[in-house]
Amino acid sequence: SAVISQKPSRDICQRGTSLTIQCQVDSQVTMMFWYRQQPGQSLTLIATANQGSEATYESGFVIDKFPISRPNLTFSTLTVSNMSPEDSSIYLCSVAGGLDTEAFFGQGTRLTVV
Amino acid sequence: GQQLNQSPQSMFIQEGEDVSMNCTSSSIFNTWLWYKQEPGEGPVLLIALYKAGELTSNGRLTAQFGITRKDSFLNISASIPSDVGIYFCAGQLSHSGYALNFGKGTSLLVTP
Repeated sequence: SAVISQKPSRDICQRGTSLTIQCQVDSQVTMMFWYRQQPGQSLTLIATANQGSEATYESGFVIDKFPISRPNLTFSTLTVSNMSPEDSSIYLCSVAGGLDTEAFFGQGTRLTVV
Repeated sequence: GQQLNQSPQSMFIQEGEDVSMNCTSSSIFNTWLWYKQEPGEGPVLLIALYKAGELTSNGRLTAQFGITRKDSFLNISASIPSDVGIYFCAGQLSHSGYALNFGKGTSLLVTP
């Protein structure tokens, strides 16, 4: 399985500001995804990060709020823009690739907006 | 995404007991995955299932991919305190690439 590193692991941010979360993988992967896990809840897919093109967003998530970059096959960023307390969640990077469809997760970024 | 129904929502058991949890869906899934998440960590993959009827074990864990492709179960035998965590099922629709739909999770507490 791939080793996935997310930075930062946690942060406390002021409302109205933006935070960029980084996801680094130790090997090239086909697919990278960003999920949100609200407190005490399950995981919800935000978007698929596409290498060299715009991310594909799920219903309820928009590029202006969650811009995503994927400059190569090992790295992606998710920005949470103009934050409000409702954005307080764990944000998780996930990767998949190869012959199987297992998806592996980073340790997550715990965001608190005050 | 598709809604997965995972049950039970929580379990409180004694060490040594067996545990069973399951997920159902209204849609057919191509793949079923089971994850465990501990506090402050991301989900860790336990078992992946790819074929209807497939039964797979990983140590004390056993999972099955339902024949209808709309359900899966996870069993944990002889539970130990370190089994504590939240267990999530996740399904992959055949036409959506690798993106996953998650159940709401089963919170497991094990007392010594």
